[in-house]
Amino acid sequence: GAVVSQHPSRVICKSGTSVKIECRSLDFQATTMFWYRQFPKKSLMLMATSNEGSKATYEQGVEKDKFLINHASLTLSTLTVTSAHPEDSSFYICCASANLGTGGGAFFGQGTRLTVV
Amino acid sequence: QKEVEQNSGPLSVPEGAIASLNCTYSDRGSQSFFWYRQYSGKSPELIMFIYSNGDKEDGRFTAQLNKASQYVSLLIRDSQPSDSATYLCAVNNTGTYKYIFGTGTRLKVLA
Repeated sequence: GAVVSQHPSRVICKSGTSVKIECRSLDFQATTMFWYRQFPKKSLMLMATSNEGSKATYEQGVEKDKFLINHASLTLSTLTVTSAHPEDSSFYICCASANLGTGGGAFFGQGTRLTVV
Repeated sequence: QKEVEQNSGPLSVPEGAIASLNCTYSDRGSQSFFWYRQYSGKSPELIMFIYSNGDKEDGRFTAQLNKASQYVSLLIRDSQPSDSATYLCAVNNTGTYKYIFGTGTRLKVLA
């Protein structure tokens, strides 16, 4: 299957700092990127959807000024958690999709475990 | 009604048995259907996709789709303890470019 690389896999940061997470599609062009977060033993929660070159669409209850998403190219999307607080500690996962005209599938990055202390 | 529904489980099956995982969806415009496997602490990985009514087989896995009943299932033959994971059903309507995930079914294969 297609490869999606997410970096870093794990990060610990101090409360009040910002953290940037990168997501790259290595062998295909991702027309759409999805960002999810997942709390322990809970299901995936969609945070936002972004299409290359346009602003992200955020799900209800997700603060767009806190979770900044940039999808500048067909192979790279970034999520920046600004002024992180302990309640932002979670598992963040990107998901890239391509060739939606034929339902080509969505592929996940390895995830980033964020711990805010 | 949730857009994609799955029984949360856990579904326990003995080693070597067939595990049957089910998923229903509400959007009749859905066109593509996917099964993902997620091990604890890891991100989901795509294991099967199906677009047409009927069965699709890949190794020990068989996906079944019935659009009239809005039902998709995943069968795992000769279940192994390594199959123990959470299985997520996802549905895509290409018109909306959004993948809707179920909450997942936790499968336990008992040795």
